[in-house]
Amino acid sequence: ILNVEQSPQSLHVQEGDSTNFTCSFPSSNFYALHWYRWETAKSPEALFVMTLNGDEKKKGRISATLNTKEGYSYLYIKGSQPEDSATYLCAFPNFGNEKLTFGTGTRLTIIP
Amino acid sequence: NAGVTQTPKFRVLKTGQSMTLLCAQDMNHEYMYWYRQDPGMGLRLIHYSVGEGTTAKGEVPDGYNVSRLKKQNFLLGLESAAPSQTSVYFCASSSRASQETQYFGPGTRLLVL
Repeated sequence: ILNVEQSPQSLHVQEGDSTNFTCSFPSSNFYALHWYRWETAKSPEALFVMTLNGDEKKKGRISATLNTKEGYSYLYIKGSQPEDSATYLCAFPNFGNEKLTFGTGTRLTIIP
Repeated sequence: NAGVTQTPKFRVLKTGQSMTLLCAQDMNHEYMYWYRQDPGMGLRLIHYSVGEGTTAKGEVPDGYNVSRLKKQNFLLGLESAAPSQTSVYFCASSSRASQETQYFGPGTRLLVL
């Protein structure tokens, strides 16, 4: 079983502030790194799938970077809004490339 | 295009009863997955399938069985429900595992008394 670790577990951020959090994953046999956004009482929705070292992807105010050599990815949110409140999950494929192992997530709460 | 749908949305069972959860996808995806979500545990993989007629065990398969008789459907069965199986169950599908997004259904909330 692969270890995918996310930190911090939870985060409270003032509306308008920017924030970031981390996903750590095994640096060997890298295939891809996924980020999902999971709002309470809904189902997870994909944000990014990252495959190349040094990759940076952006979707509105949310962006992510990837370092496959050291095994981490950062998710950044610029100018947080209340609708950004959610749990952010990262996931990493197993060696056989058939399934994802999910981290336990970073629960983000934006304070108005 | 409905994406991934799950039936039922909510169910209450008594200990020892059986039930089947249905997942259907209309995206022609090869891969399908069943997860359970419990507080503080994130998403844990129960069983998965890489194609019609194939299934494999995930992280927490005990007490569950699955079948993938048709490409678009993935069934999760509980033969004898236990209170420990109280959870929210999510189905997901993808065209390939590692580099393609998994699309999730809306979830089934199951309460076992």
